[in-house]
Amino acid sequence: DAGVIQSPRHEVTEMGQEVTLRCKPISGHNSLFWYRQTMMRGLELLIYFNNNVPIDDSGMPEDRFSAKMPNASFSTLKIQPSEPRDSAVYFCASSPRTSGGDEQYFGPGTRLTVT
Amino acid sequence: TQLLEQSPQFLSIQEGENLTVYCNSSSVFSSLQWYRQEPGEGPVLLVTVVTGGEVKKLKRLTFQFGDARKDSSLHITAAQPGDTGLYLCAGVRSGYALNFGKGTSLLVTP
Repeated sequence: DAGVIQSPRHEVTEMGQEVTLRCKPISGHNSLFWYRQTMMRGLELLIYFNNNVPIDDSGMPEDRFSAKMPNASFSTLKIQPSEPRDSAVYFCASSPRTSGGDEQYFGPGTRLTVT
Repeated sequence: TQLLEQSPQFLSIQEGENLTVYCNSSSVFSSLQWYRQEPGEGPVLLVTVVTGGEVKKLKRLTFQFGDARKDSSLHITAAQPGDTGLYLCAGVRSGYALNFGKGTSLLVTP
């Protein structure tokens, strides 16, 4: 079975532009997570979906960030407008368990650079 | 605020050496996970420890969960270049939330 799929793998954009990151979780997994990784702050949870419903978005930095999960096989993370401080690696992860507290399977990440 | 502190931050050793990395917190966790992340990839789960004092072995890797479930260690015996990567610990306090440390970056040279 394919793992978590993320696209694009790399994104370079100018400040002020809209950025959309995409994720396809592992089939059958109930939970989906978006993380951001930087050298300074490490891995931070941005938002958690369970059965396509956003459960916890307290990690979303500000209103410029939004996430959707229209169905069990697709999620997007959008940044509008983007800023240089948004530069980071963004990971999507999915988990087979409803609680999500156990094993999470990470995608390869999207490296975002905002100039 | 970082719930989990990992040390050392960087470690460079030669093949065949032993090493231990640490993951410490003032918080109690219901379980703790260790992940390894290679450059350009996402973290991959190595092990989950649940019981205070628990020791788990994965080939040359030995994981220990502290008695009070606040800390953990990872010991690697006879390190190999293939062990190179970023080692992350992540604590579960309740439900779904994983609190990650910043990681220990390990480089094993031949």
